[in-house]
Amino acid sequence: EAQVTQNPRYLITVTGKKLTVTCSQNMNHEYMSWYRQDPGLGLRQIYYSMNVEVTDKGDVPEGYKVSRKEKRNFPLILESPSPNQTSLYFCASSPTGTGISPLHFGNGTRLTVT
Amino acid sequence: DAKTTQPTSMDCAEGRAANLPCNHSTISGNEYVYWYRQIHSQGPQYIIHGLKNNETNEMASLIITEDRKSSTLILPHATLRDTAVYYCIVRVAGNNAGNMLTFGGGTRLMVKP
Repeated sequence: EAQVTQNPRYLITVTGKKLTVTCSQNMNHEYMSWYRQDPGLGLRQIYYSMNVEVTDKGDVPEGYKVSRKEKRNFPLILESPSPNQTSLYFCASSPTGTGISPLHFGNGTRLTVT
Repeated sequence: DAKTTQPTSMDCAEGRAANLPCNHSTISGNEYVYWYRQIHSQGPQYIIHGLKNNETNEMASLIITEDRKSSTLILPHATLRDTAVYYCIVRVAGNNAGNMLTFGGGTRLMVKP
């Protein structure tokens, strides 16, 4: 089944403890992206990747890192999480980054930073 | 990208057609209209998209006005499982459209028995 898989689904951590949220897609998509969703603010893009080894900042990249060493995986790294990064995170992929193909989203990771 | 305006919420009776409007009066010629929905806190689900012609798939129909300044998503026979937040987005297509899709507030559709 074609899908975008995020892990973990739920994560509670403490301020400053490095964490990684994994994202994997099995559709051979070139484009991958991370979003965060907060009440009243909609979905905001954190980082995106047009292809392997090609990443760029979205609208809210501060406090996050990403890497794209292989096509299927696009992990989101929080080197020193803070409470304002408590949010619902979504990974998404698309065949290309041209904007004419729909995005496929994962089921989300709910992160709480205390 | 052009901004969109949608009603905050709508109700629809089960089995009836749900017609969700979207205004995108500043849309440019190379911008597509996309519709997604989000059920509770799940990942957004792609529904349909179009450029200027009306489109239909197994989920819904998309009607785009001739001037492209507005569109309507039609769910022909709404079910309780269609209760969700529906997002209308316009997005330019291009070789480096990396910053893809900005989701606004959407329309909260409540399908009632």
